[in-house]
Amino acid sequence: ETAVFQTPNYHVTQVGNEVSFNCKQTLGHDTMYWYKQDSKKLLKIMFSYNNKQLIVNETVPRRFSPQSSDKAHLNLRIKSVEPEDSAVYLCASSPHNWGALNTLYFGAGTRLSVL
Amino acid sequence: QQKVQQSPESLSVPEGGMASLNCTSSDRNFQYFWWYRQHSGEGPKALMSIFSDGDKKEGRFTAHLNKASLHVSLHIRDSQPSDSALYFCAVSELSGSFNKLTFGAGTRLAVCP
Repeated sequence: ETAVFQTPNYHVTQVGNEVSFNCKQTLGHDTMYWYKQDSKKLLKIMFSYNNKQLIVNETVPRRFSPQSSDKAHLNLRIKSVEPEDSAVYLCASSPHNWGALNTLYFGAGTRLSVL
Repeated sequence: QQKVQQSPESLSVPEGGMASLNCTSSDRNFQYFWWYRQHSGEGPKALMSIFSDGDKKEGRFTAHLNKASLHVSLHIRDSQPSDSALYFCAVSELSGSFNKLTFGAGTRLAVCP
């Protein structure tokens, strides 16, 4: 089965802790993304990587850091989580990082709850 | 102001009915439009894209684009309960040498049996 896989599905933690989320795609795509979906379901891009290189870094607090070991994996680490970090974090991939015909394929998301 | 405006916020149609969703971009840099659908507990999934003026039909789904007004609509014919989901309009702009997808706030569709 080819798709975008995220772990964990759900994570509960306390303010100030560090968390890490994993994402793997088996679609053979060059580009991967992290999106944040808030409680109102708004989707905002956080980072984009193309072949392990960071190409998009939106205005995101410095406690967020993406990590890519190869083009199939993109992880997200959050140092010292804050209550406003509670959200669903969606990983996605696309064949390329250019061109209008660039479909995004999303994982099921990791729901983070910060107590 | 959001660059991508969707209406209505929510919509309820009877099974077998027609659902119509709207999306307008406020930025002429946004020329390429997508519709994504998200079922509860899942990630969004691309439904269709449209880049040229006029209609594009894929099965029960028809998108209509008016580039002059930067308005795109999605019409779902013969709506099914499985169509109940959150529908996002997304627009693509060229940011430097790569494109970036910006999503609207979504329209929640409920299809009632």
